[in-house]
Amino acid sequence: AQTVTQSQPEMSVQEAETVTLSCTYDTSENNYYLFWYKQPPSRQMILVIRQEAYKQQNATENRFSVNFQKAAKSFSLKISDSQLGDTAMYFCAYSGTQGGSEKLVFGKGTKLTVNP
Amino acid sequence: DSGVTQTPKHLITATGQRVTLRCSPRSGDLSVYWYQQSLDQGLQFLIQYYNGEERAKGNILERFSAQQFPDLHSELNLSSLELGDSALYFCASSAGRALVNTEAFFGQGTRLTVV
Repeated sequence: AQTVTQSQPEMSVQEAETVTLSCTYDTSENNYYLFWYKQPPSRQMILVIRQEAYKQQNATENRFSVNFQKAAKSFSLKISDSQLGDTAMYFCAYSGTQGGSEKLVFGKGTKLTVNP
Repeated sequence: DSGVTQTPKHLITATGQRVTLRCSPRSGDLSVYWYQQSLDQGLQFLIQYYNGEERAKGNILERFSAQQFPDLHSELNLSSLELGDSALYFCASSAGRALVNTEAFFGQGTRLTVV
């Protein structure tokens, strides 16, 4: 079964600085997708960025970028120019097709606090 | 606003009771997914429906059941509730059968408290 591990339960960063959240996963599949979701205090799950495993180029969305290392099964999220509104729980998630399900498998999350 | 509507937002009930959580997917989305978020277990996949049929089942207890209706809204039924069932229950929807090909949109969740 696929597993997703986020080893940093909590992190903090100063406003305008850069922070990197770590994520590793385990799978025997070759084709899959990886996601970072943000959950602010409002509880809404918001997709931040996604990466297709067959693409070598790292995905980028404005201030958010990933470092995808397929061989190492690593998928970290870099947030540049951190803003107060980035304060939230961040979840790394995996989606494949093994077992006939495209469900999302989530990590335990990293609580990020951006300090003024 | 994701376009996915979950009702109610909050629910408080006693042990042993039965509740129904409702989810209306985004217009045009055929797939509905249910997830449970608890403090100790994180976000766990419960079940997926596609166009009215069960597509995949995850860590869903036998006391829980779900269905998707012809108008594509879905209901999650939780019975014989226990204190440990207290959690945030999310519904997500996507356009296609395969989540990997389309973005999943999450509702705001239903906070269930069992007392």
